[in-house]
Amino acid sequence: KNQVEQSPQSLIILEGKNCTLQCNYTVSPFSNLRWYKQDTGRGPVSLTIMTFSENTKSNGRYTATLDADTKQSSLHITASQLSDSASYICVVSEKGGKLIFGQGTELSVKP
Amino acid sequence: GAGVSQSPSNKVTEKGKDVELRCDPISGHTALYWYRQSLGQGLEFLIYFQGNSAPDKSGLPSDRFSAERTGGSVSTLTIQRTQQEDSAVYLCASSLATRTAYGTQYFGPGTRLTVL
Repeated sequence: KNQVEQSPQSLIILEGKNCTLQCNYTVSPFSNLRWYKQDTGRGPVSLTIMTFSENTKSNGRYTATLDADTKQSSLHITASQLSDSASYICVVSEKGGKLIFGQGTELSVKP
Repeated sequence: GAGVSQSPSNKVTEKGKDVELRCDPISGHTALYWYRQSLGQGLEFLIYFQGNSAPDKSGLPSDRFSAERTGGSVSTLTIQRTQQEDSAVYLCASSLATRTAYGTQYFGPGTRLTVL
């Protein structure tokens, strides 16, 4: 069964600290993997998208990595800010377009 | 079932017809979201409900799109006078989010809409 699992489920960090969110998947055949940031009640904002051949992609303070061999991805946030508090969702696309969603990691950044 | 359900799973319609998509959220979840994913595109936010009210309708792409939620539970997304560009997978998600808490979103399987 194709699945996407994210960890941790929730995370609290102090402003200025770094953190790493994990996404493990069993989706096959794999097309691409996206990380989204979503504030409550708002639409998700795409942070990164990576295909099979890409290992790392950065977007400002966000850096995503992908290991297609171990089927693992991580999202690293550097020098966290209060505005980083949100849900972070990992979404994996099968070839053919079907989406498999992770349940998200809730990040709270405290002053 | 314990998860979010959507119906129909697939819908093929002719251009100009109206369609209704249904979402049954997880019981007790107060927040409900509609999204769509067009071929090759990212996840597009459409509308968010907190209870029966929709504080954010900014994602609806045109006035042909409307959504309602009754009894704080089932929601329907209606597309009037469908166009070919409306073809997409329409996803629904629910969560326990309140106005101050985020909540984990649980996604339904989606409705694949094809407009001929």
